[in-house]
Amino acid sequence: DAGITQSPRHKVTETGTPVTLRCHQTENHRYMYWYRQDPGHGLRLIHYSYGVKDTDKGEVSDGYSVSRSKTEDFLLTLESATSSQTSVYFCAIRDSLGTDTQYFGPGTRLTVL
Amino acid sequence: AQSVSQHNHHVILSEAASLELGCNYSYGGTVNLFWYVQYPGQHLQLLLKYFSGDPLVKGIKGFEAEFIKSKFSFNLRKPSVQWSDTAEYFCAVYNQGGKLIFGQGTELSVKP
Repeated sequence: DAGITQSPRHKVTETGTPVTLRCHQTENHRYMYWYRQDPGHGLRLIHYSYGVKDTDKGEVSDGYSVSRSKTEDFLLTLESATSSQTSVYFCAIRDSLGTDTQYFGPGTRLTVL
Repeated sequence: AQSVSQHNHHVILSEAASLELGCNYSYGGTVNLFWYVQYPGQHLQLLLKYFSGDPLVKGIKGFEAEFIKSKFSFNLRKPSVQWSDTAEYFCAVYNQGGKLIFGQGTELSVKP
């Protein structure tokens, strides 16, 4: 494993409430990613970061925002959760030693009622 | 837009059968290709990857994949599957913008 933890691991919330998911890494990787996994869609990129305070949108960024104030933490926020955001969310880092391989965290299962 | 296509959504095999999972990608330039596996209830783990060199790549747990540039394919193979190989398998490729694009996934069920 690449020293990635995610919190919480499970969350149930109600429509319209804000939700923040946290990804923490211990190996000082520059690139971090947030994906969502839904049946039949594989993994889709939400947002990514290429450094502290440097972030960009992915394929499915609507309704999500991110922040990275420290190298080790990458936060994903759902400003006002909707049922369509019920999903499993994975954080990933990109190996900075030249292999460009992404390694994934354990995931957060989010249910929006 | 670049895309990755996995032909089989669900494959059911008996133990000791041979496995081949198809993966095709649409990007025509230099590619970095990956296969990941996700065991039930777990996160994605890297099975193998291709960056350059020998197009036949060997990964963990007896898996291998062959990069065929002319066919834009990167099929995953294993000569003899085990019950413990039951999982979902994802093919992925980096696109021009440096983003990892995933296929839809193939669920493999191995009967003991």
